[in-house]
Amino acid sequence: AQSVTQLGSHVSVSEGALVLLRCNYSSSVPPYLFWYVQYPNQGLQLLLKYTTGATLVKGINGFEAEFKKSETSFHLTKPSAHMSDAAEYFCAVSKTNFGNEKLTFGTGTRLTIIP
Amino acid sequence: DTAVSQTPKYLVTQMGNDKSIKCEQNLGHDTMYWYKQDSKKFLKIMFSYNNKELIINETVPNRFSPKSPDKAHLNLHINSLELGDSAVYFCASSQPSRGSYEQYFGPGTRLTVT
Repeated sequence: AQSVTQLGSHVSVSEGALVLLRCNYSSSVPPYLFWYVQYPNQGLQLLLKYTTGATLVKGINGFEAEFKKSETSFHLTKPSAHMSDAAEYFCAVSKTNFGNEKLTFGTGTRLTIIP
Repeated sequence: DTAVSQTPKYLVTQMGNDKSIKCEQNLGHDTMYWYKQDSKKFLKIMFSYNNKELIINETVPNRFSPKSPDKAHLNLHINSLELGDSAVYFCASSQPSRGSYEQYFGPGTRLTVT
């Protein structure tokens, strides 16, 4: 079984400060990992993904994440927070077996940006 | 062009009623999903279909019945609605056969059962 743990249901950072959202996963097979963002009353938008290859992946809106197998982590970072980054962020893991690609989500982290 | 669309966006109904939510994707994907997001924002998969065939059914009550008339559409019918069915329901699609595992989500349908 696979699972995702997001540490911190709420994170507040000042505008211009570093954003760090933590995600740890558990998977019995090599995982595919994703970060999604959800703005209020909207659907989920893919920020970035890790499948294979380079462990540091860059996404949209200046976000990036690093896959660390030894730490079973996939933390999301952004060097400088912007007011428009305020949203709910979800880390998710997917099995790599074709035919069962369900996403298992973490419980989400609400990011608040302080002006 | 909306990649994954859902109708309606809002649905308010009384307990015991039957309702349907429709989903369409124009991405040419073979696989479609239904997820439920509860009041605490937790997302959980309900169903997945690949080329109109049911692949995943995550112990969802029988009152929920997905139907896929073709691979671009996946509808969700709910019988005898209960208060606990109130949630936001998201449709999503993906194309894992091309090695692309990310899922594209619709805008959601907020279901309120009174």
